[in-house]
Amino acid sequence: GAGVSQSPSNKVTEKGKDVELRCDPISGHTALYWYRQRLGQGLEFLIYFQGNSAPDKSGLPSDRFSAERTGESVSTLTIQRTQQEDSAVYLCASSKGQLNTEAFFGQGTRLTVV
Amino acid sequence: KNQVEQSPQSLIILEGKNCTLQCNYTVSPFSNLRWYKQDTGRGPVSLTIMTFSENTKSNGRYTATLDADTKQSSLHITASQLSDSASYICVVASPAGNKLTFGGGTRVLVKP
Repeated sequence: GAGVSQSPSNKVTEKGKDVELRCDPISGHTALYWYRQRLGQGLEFLIYFQGNSAPDKSGLPSDRFSAERTGESVSTLTIQRTQQEDSAVYLCASSKGQLNTEAFFGQGTRLTVV
Repeated sequence: KNQVEQSPQSLIILEGKNCTLQCNYTVSPFSNLRWYKQDTGRGPVSLTIMTFSENTKSNGRYTATLDADTKQSSLHITASQLSDSASYICVVASPAGNKLTFGGGTRVLVKP
């Protein structure tokens, strides 16, 4: 596709369940970012992948959160044993990875933990 | 800790008027500064990207300025339209891995 695609667009899950969110970046983009945005709040950095380098996981809020990326393609963000405070919009972005290149965002996955 | 601070948090302006949003950052080292527009329920969309050597850049009715010495940027919206109602986010990129640090955003509401 032409843009960053995220799925599902909405997810309602019960507290304690695991969820997996998917991001398909723009083809050829080596850099991929995950962010979390709580209602009415700014974007919080979660994790950053750049090519084959070790990912920057400094933003992951707890060990319940993990993310994987295979090569320069799809990424999945997994949240284990979800809590109500995990309710947020999870945004994925990708870029060509070079300095000063634009990052393009997906529409996000709205996660609601009940 | 938030290394990108934006002000005001929100503002209301009348259609046709101008407004200026502020961004102060402490991110260092710094490679570029971006302004994004985020409509409700949508992902952010890039408006401008400026490197440390640029001090102004325009995109239609949006004009961004950058003072890399004082680590301040502004986004000026000229002749506002109802469609300008959105959150405007200042983002600073670090050269190390091109990591993006987001400000909390300024929520703009344009009223007729």
